[in-house]
Amino acid sequence: QTVVTQEPSFSVSPGGTVTLTCGLSSGSVSTSYYPSWYQQTPGQAPRTLIYNTNARSSGVPDRFSGSILGNKAALTITGAQADDESDYYCVLYMGGGISVFGGGTKLTVL
Amino acid sequence: QVQLVESGGGVVQPGGSLRLSCAASGFTFSTYGMHWVRQAPGKGLQWVAFIHYDGNTKYYADSLKGRFTISRDNSKNTLYLQMDSLRPEDTAVYYCAKDVGTYTLGYWGQGTLVTVSS
Repeated sequence: QTVVTQEPSFSVSPGGTVTLTCGLSSGSVSTSYYPSWYQQTPGQAPRTLIYNTNARSSGVPDRFSGSILGNKAALTITGAQADDESDYYCVLYMGGGISVFGGGTKLTVL
Repeated sequence: QVQLVESGGGVVQPGGSLRLSCAASGFTFSTYGMHWVRQAPGKGLQWVAFIHYDGNTKYYADSLKGRFTISRDNSKNTLYLQMDSLRPEDTAVYYCAKDVGTYTLGYWGQGTLVTVSS
C-alpha cells in the first residue's frame, strides 16, 4: 500500500520562506496525481489552499504556491506570517476514484 | 455562498450504526461530486469516500469498504454516510466536502463528531 509522506514538523521565522513536501513511499509524484494542499488550525475545518499542483483556491494569498520539486509535490510559503502556524496536509489522487492524505506537517512560525 | 452542514453525529456503541447527513446550499448540488473525510482525535485527516454527481459511481478507502456507504439525494441537496459495524477506531470528526474538479476537496463543512464507545 502506497503511503503519502510529509515532514511531521517544520519551523520558519516570521518573514521567512518555507517549502513543505509531499512524496510517495514508492515512486514519484507528478501532476497526474493532482496534488492539493490544505491548511488546518486546531478546532477548525480544513481550508483548501492549492489544487491541481499549483492553482490557488479563491481568496488564498499569493504567498502560498504549489509546484513539483524533484519527485515530490511542494507547498511554498513566502513571507511567513504568525497566522500561518497551522497543520498542512497534502492529498494525492491515486486513480480509480481514490484519494490519499499525507500525514500532515505541523508548521511553527517563530 | 457554498454552505455544507453536517449532522447526525453522536455516541454509539461498538457494533452499532449511524447515518450522517450533509446539507448543501449555495451551489447546484446535483452537478458536483462530494467527499467524506474524517479526523480521529489528535490525528490527521483521512479520506473516506467519494460519490459522483449523479450518485451512480462511488469510491471508498480500502480500509472502510464494506462497512461504510456513501449516497446522496439530489432532490434534497443532501449527502449521506451510512456507517455500520462501528468500531472504537471510527471515533472521529466527519467532514463532508464539495469536489471542485480533479478530485480536489474545494469546500468543507464544519464537521460532526462520532464517538464509538460502550
